Order: sequence, then C-alpha cells, then structure tokens
Amino acid sequence: GENVEQHPSTLSVQEGDSAVIKCTYSDSASNYFPWYKQELGKRPQLIIDIRSNVGEKKDQRIAVTLNKTAKHFSLHITETQPEDSAVYFCAASSYGNNRLAFGKGNQVVVIP
Amino acid sequence: NAGVTQTPKFRVLKTGQSMTLLCAQDMNHEYMYWYRQDPGMGLRLIHYSVGEGTTAKGEVPDGYNVSRLKKQNFLLGLESAAPSQTSVYFCASSWGGMNTEAFFGQGTRLTVV
Repeated sequence: GENVEQHPSTLSVQEGDSAVIKCTYSDSASNYFPWYKQELGKRPQLIIDIRSNVGEKKDQRIAVTLNKTAKHFSLHITETQPEDSAVYFCAASSYGNNRLAFGKGNQVVVIP
Repeated sequence: NAGVTQTPKFRVLKTGQSMTLLCAQDMNHEYMYWYRQDPGMGLRLIHYSVGEGTTAKGEVPDGYNVSRLKKQNFLLGLESAAPSQTSVYFCASSWGGMNTEAFFGQGTRLTVV
C-alpha cells in the first residue's frame, strides 16, 4: 500500500520567514495530494490540495508543489504568522483506491 | 450547517467494556470514515463507508465494528475495550471518496483503563 513520509517532524521558524515541509510517497499511481492543518485540540482541516495533472498550486500565503518523477510534494508557507503554528499532515491517494494515506505530521512553531 | 458532529467528546472506559461512538453529518455526503489519531502516528483509517448500508475495513480495523444504517450517521463500536484502544477518534465525511476534501468532526478522546 501507499506509504507517506514527512520531514522534518518539527520545524521552528521566525515570524515572517518561510516554512517548507516535504512529503514523499511510494505509490506511483497516487494522484491526489492534500494538506491538512490541525491546531492544538482541534479537528484537521484541509488547507490546500493538488492533483497530479499540475505541478504547483497557490492560495494566498500557501503553496504546494508536486514532483511526480521524484514522488515528493511540498507545502510552502510564506510570511509566517503565529496562527500558522499547528501540526500539518500530508496525504496521498489514487483514484479508485479507497485509502487516503496520511503522513505522521509536522509540528510547525512560529516564533514571534 | 453543523457539518460533522461526534458524540461523545470524552469517555473513560474500563477494560472489557463496550461503547458506541456516533458520527452525524448534515452535508448529504456519501462517504464516511473513522480514523484514530495517536501521538507520532498520524491519522489511521479504521473503517469507512461508501454509502448507506455499506462498510469496509481500513488500515487498523481489528477490535472495531461499524454500521451505516442511515446516510447521515456512521457508528463505531468497541465490543470489548482494551488499553491499546486509548486514542483520539475522528469521524470524517466527503462527497466523492478519498480524492475529495474530507470534513472532520471535533474528535472523541477515549481512555481505556
């Protein structure tokens, strides 16, 4: 089955700097790659997703890039703010495969 | 719209006891899921349903049963709770399967002593 790994496990950044989290996946058939944000004690919420027919997607301060050849995708957060502090989960699935495999999560800490 | 609602929010069980977690969604989604979240393990799929009356096993189904008698409800049962089932449980739903956005409930923190 699909195996998704996230690096680094913890990331600390100064407010205003950029944060990058990278995920690798194992199944070359995977074609959907969402990112979920989970604030402390809250539910996970989708912040951005990308499908395999595009290489990059942006939404204000966040972006996701996909490298299908290398089987990795990354979350980029620019101009980080304290409210960006959370655990970020990447995931991968393929059409027709009823399984969304999550990574173990990255703790991002934005230092004011 | 309430979205996805789970009950209860917290529960403490003794080893061997049984309980049912209820998930309700008001978005008319076909797909519903139960995940467990453990420290350092991410989210792991227990069981899921692709529509009313259907259920299927996920990644970690042992010790759990589910039912989807109504489209809006997805129940997770623990017949004989074990300490290894201490976890935070999340229900989620989506309109179009694992390739579409999943909307999560607020979670249930279960402790088995």
